[in-house]
Amino acid sequence: EDKVVQSPLSLVVHEGDTVTLNCSYEVTNFRSLLWYKQEKKAPTFLFMLTSSGIEKKSGRLSSILDKKELFSILNITATQTGDSAIYLCAVDSFTGNQFYFGTGTSLTVIP
Amino acid sequence: EAQVTQNPRYLITVTGKKLTVTCSQNMNHEYMSWYRQDPGLGLRQIYYSMNVEVTDKGDVPEGYKVSRKEKRNFPLILESPSPNQTSLYFCASRQTGGYSPLHFGNGTRLTVT
Repeated sequence: EDKVVQSPLSLVVHEGDTVTLNCSYEVTNFRSLLWYKQEKKAPTFLFMLTSSGIEKKSGRLSSILDKKELFSILNITATQTGDSAIYLCAVDSFTGNQFYFGTGTSLTVIP
Repeated sequence: EAQVTQNPRYLITVTGKKLTVTCSQNMNHEYMSWYRQDPGLGLRQIYYSMNVEVTDKGDVPEGYKVSRKEKRNFPLILESPSPNQTSLYFCASRQTGGYSPLHFGNGTRLTVT
């Protein structure tokens, strides 16, 4: 059965800390892995990682994909209170017609 | 502005009273999908559509219906809502045929009493 597992479930850090969020997956015919940020509304797209793009960086956020070990990490450096959100990992498959989502990591950044 | 629009944002209803949640996208996407999000369970797909008049079940289709008569619209219908359908619902769309993320609507929080 295809599945995506995220850890930890929740995380509380202080402003300025660095955090690492984990996503492991077992999905048939992997196409891409995506990270989303969800505040009190719709998930917003952060990164897409594929076989030809296994590292992405945008400002304080970066992500890598390990296709051999079937996992990805999302790093956030110098965290700010605005980083508080649920971070979702999703995997797209060539054979399926859906994205497989993890249950998310809830990040709280305290001033 | 490219977007997925859902309505209503909040809905409280009673058991058995039929309701429809609308979803519209202006990006000319072929693929559209409905998800429900519940604590501890994440996002689960209800139905999806690969194009006009083409719909299929996702992981949790029981109690829901959809239709895709036009490319831009993909309404979610609950013929006889029950309390276990209380949830946060998201409509999403994407371009097909390549590497494309899902674009989400702002969600509909449904409460069935």
